[in-house]
Amino acid sequence: DVKVTQSSRYLVKRTGEKVFLECVQDMDHENMFWYRQDPGLGLRLIYFSYDVKMKEKGDIPEGYSVSREKKERFSLILESASTNQTSMYLCASTGANNQPQHFGDGTRLSIL
Amino acid sequence: QKEVEQNSGPLSVPEGAIASLNCTYSDRGSQSFFWYRQYSGKSPELIMFIYSNGDKEDGRFTAQLNKASQYVSLLIRDSQPSDSATYLCAVTLWRVQGAQKLVFGQGTRLTINP
Repeated sequence: DVKVTQSSRYLVKRTGEKVFLECVQDMDHENMFWYRQDPGLGLRLIYFSYDVKMKEKGDIPEGYSVSREKKERFSLILESASTNQTSMYLCASTGANNQPQHFGDGTRLSIL
Repeated sequence: QKEVEQNSGPLSVPEGAIASLNCTYSDRGSQSFFWYRQYSGKSPELIMFIYSNGDKEDGRFTAQLNKASQYVSLLIRDSQPSDSATYLCAVTLWRVQGAQKLVFGQGTRLTINP
């Protein structure tokens, strides 16, 4: 089974802090994704990566950056956290074309 | 028009009956279609995927795809209270270097009544 592990289930940070969310997958997948999920807005893609050091913007990249230094790890960075970034953050990974994305357990992030 | 549309529900079905969940999509070029189940406070869990027109069955679940009508559905037979969840339809929109972008519907909240 695919295992996607997110570093924290719950996280509380203050506005202006730099926040790191980590995601690790154990299936040697090429593609990794970061989403956020908000009530009424559904799942929205922030960034994705199709290879080490390669990244592409999703639908809502503003205020976020990402890092993929190793194939198994994909990090989401909130450069200067704001209250409107309070959300559930979900990491996913997938291998070959057309294969399903598998999600981690999610990180519920609160920015105070 | 939204790229992927689902009836938000709630859809209420008696235990043991068939639950029918529907999804329409706007991009005729979409090739892959997925159904995820999401319990409250949890992450989405893949339950079915379908790539070709027709039906695909897996246990109590059947996915149906009609590309001409741009319609995909999920049937749950012999519904159980544990099937109560939000069901997300997801459709591929485009690819970059083999990475597919999935577009998700808003989800249909399903409640199975004992």
